[in-house]
Amino acid sequence: AQSVTQLDSHVSVSEGTPVLLRCNYSSSYSPSLFWYVQHPNKGLQLLLKYTSAATLVKGINGFEAEFKKSETSFHLTKPSAHMSDAAEYFCVVSDQETGFQKLVFGTGTRLLVSP
Amino acid sequence: EPEVTQTPSHQVTQMGQEVILRCVPISNHLYFYWYRQILGQKVEFLVSFYNNEISEKSEIFDDQFSVERPDGSNFTLKIRSTKLEDSAMYFCASSETTSKGTDTQYFGPGTRLTVL
Repeated sequence: AQSVTQLDSHVSVSEGTPVLLRCNYSSSYSPSLFWYVQHPNKGLQLLLKYTSAATLVKGINGFEAEFKKSETSFHLTKPSAHMSDAAEYFCVVSDQETGFQKLVFGTGTRLLVSP
Repeated sequence: EPEVTQTPSHQVTQMGQEVILRCVPISNHLYFYWYRQILGQKVEFLVSFYNNEISEKSEIFDDQFSVERPDGSNFTLKIRSTKLEDSAMYFCASSETTSKGTDTQYFGPGTRLTVL
């Protein structure tokens, strides 16, 4: 079965410094991988996705993630944090075991951005 | 930009009562989903729906739950007899297909269900 591990429950950065949110996945197949963001009292917004094209994926708001099969990782990065990036971030996997229908979420990483 | 909508945003009910949560998926999407997020826990898959049938469901989705597409636009989740542990945020999502590459699921803002 698929699974996702988000290694950090909380990450704190200062505004203007780089962001790194770590994610490792497990899948017996060639997976689709996603990062979703959830701002307080809001729904889940897609940041970016990997589906087997380029391994470096660019998303919205300056975020990007790199798929590394050898490390089974899909870490999310941003060169310079902004106050508005403070939110909960979820790494998500799906694969053909469930016909790409069931998304499996990680436990989430709360990003805190200080001025 | 098209988006998934959900009503109500917040539902309070008494234990044992039936609730219906409503969703309007993106209009050209063919697959519909429900997920839930109990406070402080992971987002969990409940069910997927395609061509007027349940396509996949989790072990959470027992006989207390049902889904329906009553017309061409709405997609509903019914909980027959609510329990305290059903209190959660319920998210509806939809996707164009389930083929890798067009399987992105777009989520609604959620309905917070509180069972007293």
